[in-house]
Amino acid sequence: DVKVTQSSRYLVKRTGEKVFLECVQDMDHENMFWYRQDPGLGLRLIYFSYDVKMKEKGDIPEGYSVSREKKERFSLILESASTNQTSMYLCASSLYGQANSPLHFGNGTRLTVT
Amino acid sequence: AQTVTQSQPEMSVQEAETVTLSCTYDTSESDYYLFWYKQPPSRQMILVIRQEAYKQQNATENRFSVNFQKAAKSFSLKISDSQLGDAAMYFCAYSKDSNYQLIWGAGTKLIIKP
Repeated sequence: DVKVTQSSRYLVKRTGEKVFLECVQDMDHENMFWYRQDPGLGLRLIYFSYDVKMKEKGDIPEGYSVSREKKERFSLILESASTNQTSMYLCASSLYGQANSPLHFGNGTRLTVT
Repeated sequence: AQTVTQSQPEMSVQEAETVTLSCTYDTSESDYYLFWYKQPPSRQMILVIRQEAYKQQNATENRFSVNFQKAAKSFSLKISDSQLGDAAMYFCAYSKDSNYQLIWGAGTKLIIKP
């Protein structure tokens, strides 16, 4: 079974802090994704990566950056956390494109910015 | 722009009964993909069912089946013989091609009454 591991389940940070959310997958998947989940809004794509060192912006990239130095690891970075970035963050990976193979998700990181 | 609408924020069903979750979408494409994902309280999202628009036959996975009405742009999920483990958030999603990002609905919370 594919395992996608997010480093923290809960995180509390202060406004202005630099925040790192880490995600590791163990199935050699090419594609990795970061989503933000908010009630009533569903999932919104922040960034995705289809190869090492490659990244593409999703729908809401502002205020975020990503890093993919190794195939199995995809990091989401909040350069200067703000209260409107309080949310649930979900990492996912897939073998092929998002429609051709299932997305495998981590358990999520609930981030609170105070 | 493509949109996905889940008009029922919350549904409840008696254990062992059948429930149908609604999803409508807007697209001008003729070929596309539709999905139902389940997010239980543990938060790990998993794929329930996938439908390719060019296929006439409705997809089925055990107790889960869809009613795909292409002309009406409707993609409902039917859960038969509901079980306590079916309690979760259910998200409908759309993708216009195999490598395109998913567009997600806001989700429906399903409650199973014992």
